[in-house]
Amino acid sequence: DQQVKQNSPSLSVQEGRISILNCDYTNSMFDYFLWYKKYPAEGPTFLISISSIKDKNEDGRFTVFLNKSAKHLSLHIVPSQPGDSAVYFCAASLYTGANSKLTFGKGITLSVRP
Amino acid sequence: GAGVSQSPSNKVTEKGKDVELRCDPISGHTALYWYRQRLGQGLEFLIYFQGNSAPDKSGLPSDRFSAERTGESVSTLTIQRTQQEDSAVYLCASSLSGGSSYEQYFGPGTRLTVT
Repeated sequence: DQQVKQNSPSLSVQEGRISILNCDYTNSMFDYFLWYKKYPAEGPTFLISISSIKDKNEDGRFTVFLNKSAKHLSLHIVPSQPGDSAVYFCAASLYTGANSKLTFGKGITLSVRP
Repeated sequence: GAGVSQSPSNKVTEKGKDVELRCDPISGHTALYWYRQRLGQGLEFLIYFQGNSAPDKSGLPSDRFSAERTGESVSTLTIQRTQQEDSAVYLCASSLSGGSSYEQYFGPGTRLTVT
């Protein structure tokens, strides 16, 4: 039972255009959402996050939108650059009072064409 | 400062053998997590350590898997009697604390191949 779903395995966009990466979740108790970026042979690196009490968080070229009623979040990258080509994981956190283990989606491979 | 390090980077082992994977978290990080990523899948939570509290082992897939952490430093993940389905990249992450807003920093992972 996948609680975090990234239904599109890949996305290809032209340099300079907007990249929109989507993520859906099923557990309404998730309290924090994160995006991680992963290059081959490296561990994931944190990109941007959003608390469940907000609907938007922006950091430079990266913006994450959260629609709680639809249980949907998206990552917008604008303008996209070739160096953004990587696998992007959506993750959700459920703080139980003891820990906040992350539940990850399967990831989406973004290719930005020069 | 140094990030999270893991060793070995690659491990090939025969089915039935035991393996031990090591994680050195960022100094000062009290929370440590182990995840694994099978081919084509997302990261699966395995186990969590927070300070001196009892670890959260709820993600360990079987009793062949165990992990230890010495204080707030090194952690080892041990897989006994390895099976082919254990083949995956095993990732370790650490964070300042266990709360949701604390970013988890990942190591490069150990790629385990069971033949």
